[in-house]
Amino acid sequence: DVQMTQSPSSLSASVGDRVTITCRASQGIRNYLAWFQQKPGKAPKSLIYAAYRLQSGVPPKFSGSGSGTDFTLTISSLQPEDFATYYCQQYDTYPPTFGQGTKVEIK
Amino acid sequence: QVQLQESGPGLVKPSETLSLTCSVYGGSISPYYWSWIRQPPGKGLEWIGYIYYSGSTNYSPSLKSRVTMSLDTSKNQFSLKLSSVTAADTAIYYCARRGAYGDYVDYWGQGTLVTVSS
Repeated sequence: DVQMTQSPSSLSASVGDRVTITCRASQGIRNYLAWFQQKPGKAPKSLIYAAYRLQSGVPPKFSGSGSGTDFTLTISSLQPEDFATYYCQQYDTYPPTFGQGTKVEIK
Repeated sequence: QVQLQESGPGLVKPSETLSLTCSVYGGSISPYYWSWIRQPPGKGLEWIGYIYYSGSTNYSPSLKSRVTMSLDTSKNQFSLKLSSVTAADTAIYYCARRGAYGDYVDYWGQGTLVTVSS
């Protein structure tokens, strides 16, 4: 299976900060990379697919980039509703596999 | 807005079969793929597999021998059965709609905790 490694595992940031999360695949996955957000007790929310394409209704403060093995998720200006755990997921090779998550906390 | 809701027993005995149903609201089962994903407490996410609205399935190799998925288009529901469960199958189980362009998710259910214990 393809191993997905996210960094950092957690970070503290302030409202208004620009935040970047990295995801690295153990082998090339072209651009078959998705990102989603998870808050406690709520349904996860899908943000991005194909490395950079925003899901319908997702605000453009979220952006994704990368191809091959290295990918990033950027939140341009962190808002209170953005404090959550973020996961990446590859879907180039079956079975799809997930990163371990990055928890974004309030500084 | 599509919403998904998992339902089923929260407690299953070892060696028995775990059964969950996902109800789809605000959209049709057709013509989509529908997935199950799980997350053991404190651990990572694991893809279980998917079922197409036509009934065709694709399961994770690690669970394939124990997994059965089905759907009921008349009720707008799809289901998961996992046989011969052990404590290692204790997890939050999510149902999800597979994206249009690959095995990612565009809509998730809230998740339901299933504990395997006698």
